[in-house]
Amino acid sequence: QVQLQQWGAGLLKPSETLSLTCAVYGGSFRGYYWSWIRQPPGKGLEWIGEINHSGNTNYNPSLKSRVTMSVDTSKNQFSLKLTSATAADTAVYYCARELSHWGQGTLVTVSS
Amino acid sequence: AIQMTQSPSSLSASVGDRVTFTCRASQGIGNDLAWFQQKPGKAPKLLIFSASSLQSGVPSRFSGSGSGTDFTLTISSLQPEDFATYYCLQDYNYPRTFGQGTKVENK
Repeated sequence: QVQLQQWGAGLLKPSETLSLTCAVYGGSFRGYYWSWIRQPPGKGLEWIGEINHSGNTNYNPSLKSRVTMSVDTSKNQFSLKLTSATAADTAVYYCARELSHWGQGTLVTVSS
Repeated sequence: AIQMTQSPSSLSASVGDRVTFTCRASQGIGNDLAWFQQKPGKAPKLLIFSASSLQSGVPSRFSGSGSGTDFTLTISSLQPEDFATYYCLQDYNYPRTFGQGTKVENK
């Protein structure tokens, strides 16, 4: 049974870099795309991007200039960095395996 | 980016009701559409992929249909655990885009 567990800093100041990591337990890390999705409080879902085990990425153009995703296949982990955070980046961030298996979500608040 | 529009934004229904809601894409997406259920404080759960394929473990009262630009999700007999918000997602091209959601509330 695939499980995704995510972690990262929950409170940032404006202009800081958001950093989250997601660990994959059970199942293969190869052969899938690993996604990040976010949801501002009380709002809908936004797809941030995805990465595969080889490091091939697809990013949302709306965030592309600030997003970097990476993988560590030795640890079955993948990560998200979002630079120059603003209050508009306040959201619950989810990691997922091709949108069929999701992490528990991490609330990230950007506030001075 | 492809825009996904769900309707209605909310609906009130009772246990046992047949419920249908729709998702419309701003351009044709074949059958590259998924439906998710989300309950407060929880991650979304995949219900349907490829417009009409039921994800493993999802009750058969959920069904999806449609292709091209118009899609529907039907719950044949609403159960207490089905009160939630439902989102569609197109995975036809990048960036993936979600609809704004339909909230199913208890009448």
